[in-house]
Amino acid sequence: EAQVTQNPRYLITVTGKKLTVTCSQNMNHEYMSWYRQDPGLGLRQIYYSMNVEVTDKGDVPEGYKVSRKEKRNFPLILESPSPNQTSLYFCASSYRDTYEQYFGPGTRLTVT
Amino acid sequence: GESVGLHLPTLSVQEGDNSIINCAYSNSASDYFIWYKQESGKGPQFIIDIRSNMDKRQGQRVTVLLNKTVKHLSLQIAATQPGDSAVYFCAENMGGYQKVTFGTGTKLQVIP
Repeated sequence: EAQVTQNPRYLITVTGKKLTVTCSQNMNHEYMSWYRQDPGLGLRQIYYSMNVEVTDKGDVPEGYKVSRKEKRNFPLILESPSPNQTSLYFCASSYRDTYEQYFGPGTRLTVT
Repeated sequence: GESVGLHLPTLSVQEGDNSIINCAYSNSASDYFIWYKQESGKGPQFIIDIRSNMDKRQGQRVTVLLNKTVKHLSLQIAATQPGDSAVYFCAENMGGYQKVTFGTGTKLQVIP
């Protein structure tokens, strides 16, 4: 089944404790993105990647890091999480030159 | 499931009626506009997109209308069904396939 998977689905952590949210797609998509979703603000893009080893900042990159060492994986790293990073996070992927993004199921992160 | 919308604009429609969801966009230079549907507890799902040089595009049971003069986009759903209940987001392309900005969403409630 074609899909985007994220792990973990739920995470509660404390301020300053490094964490990684994994994202994997099995559709051989070139493009991958991370978004955060907050009430009243819609989805905001954090980082995106156009291919292996090619990443760029989205609209809200502060406090996040990404890497794209393999085509299928695009982990999101929070080196020192803070409470304002409490949010619902979505990973998405798509073929090159299309707007049809496929989204993962989301990761609910709470930072206390 | 995860809920992400607080105080979203809500459209209530009787089952079988047509729905019209509206969206105002911000950037007159945007090249593409996209509609996504997000059901409770799931990631967004692509519905349809439209290029800025078009004013109408039809899909299966959906029609998107674009009025560039007033920077307005609408999604029409014919014969609305209970499965159409979701939050609908419009998005605009701000430059490159990966740079997409989402609106804050409209909740569609279908009354059986």
